[in-house]
Amino acid sequence: KAGVTQTPRYLIKTRGQQVTLSCSPISGHRSVSWYQQTPGQGLQFLFEYFSETQRNKGNFPGRFSGRQFSNSRSEMNVSTLELGDSALYLCASSEPGQGAVNYGYTFGSGTRLTVV
Amino acid sequence: AQTVTQSQPEMSVQEAETVTLSCTYDTSESDYYLFWYKQPPSRQMILVIRQEAYKQQNATENRFSVNFQKAAKSFSLKISDSQLGDAAMYFCAYRIRGYYGGSQGNLIFGKGTKLSVKP
Repeated sequence: KAGVTQTPRYLIKTRGQQVTLSCSPISGHRSVSWYQQTPGQGLQFLFEYFSETQRNKGNFPGRFSGRQFSNSRSEMNVSTLELGDSALYLCASSEPGQGAVNYGYTFGSGTRLTVV
Repeated sequence: AQTVTQSQPEMSVQEAETVTLSCTYDTSESDYYLFWYKQPPSRQMILVIRQEAYKQQNATENRFSVNFQKAAKSFSLKISDSQLGDAAMYFCAYRIRGYYGGSQGNLIFGKGTKLSVKP
């Protein structure tokens, strides 16, 4: 079956703009998580969605938000972009709860965001 | 708070040889899962192996095996018969077990170890 699809693959934005990233999970996976990956901070958890509800949130400012649609596709939005938001944004889908550890998280190839 | 530490930023191994990547973690929980993920230049994180903390037996997946020392909070990855395709960033990750909601259901990653394989 198709893997986790993230679009776009690359994105260049100007400081102060906003951006929306998209993630389509594996068919049947109802849980979607987002992670930010930077050379300095490594991989940091942003948030997790299940059944259109945010279940879990990392320690990021309110400029970072997300949502999940009824088909489990998810979007994350970053408003008022800062230079420090330049990163690889990874999406991971899984079965909810125990299924995530039983069968693992499946990651997409990420969106590389560059803020100039 | 749980933390995961990978003390080797870079490692190198000769093709066909064996290499061990180190990982230590800190947690007050007794029941959790540990993972090793591989991230090649394609950027996609790929699950290599996982270990349940309540199982004493070390997990094995083909050429990949772990040495899980619960008391020492150590979780190393051994790659046998290294291949050129094993070259990648390797991340150790932790997740609490029994999560059905709340603030601890996410993966906590180490900073990674970059593995190079020499032909």
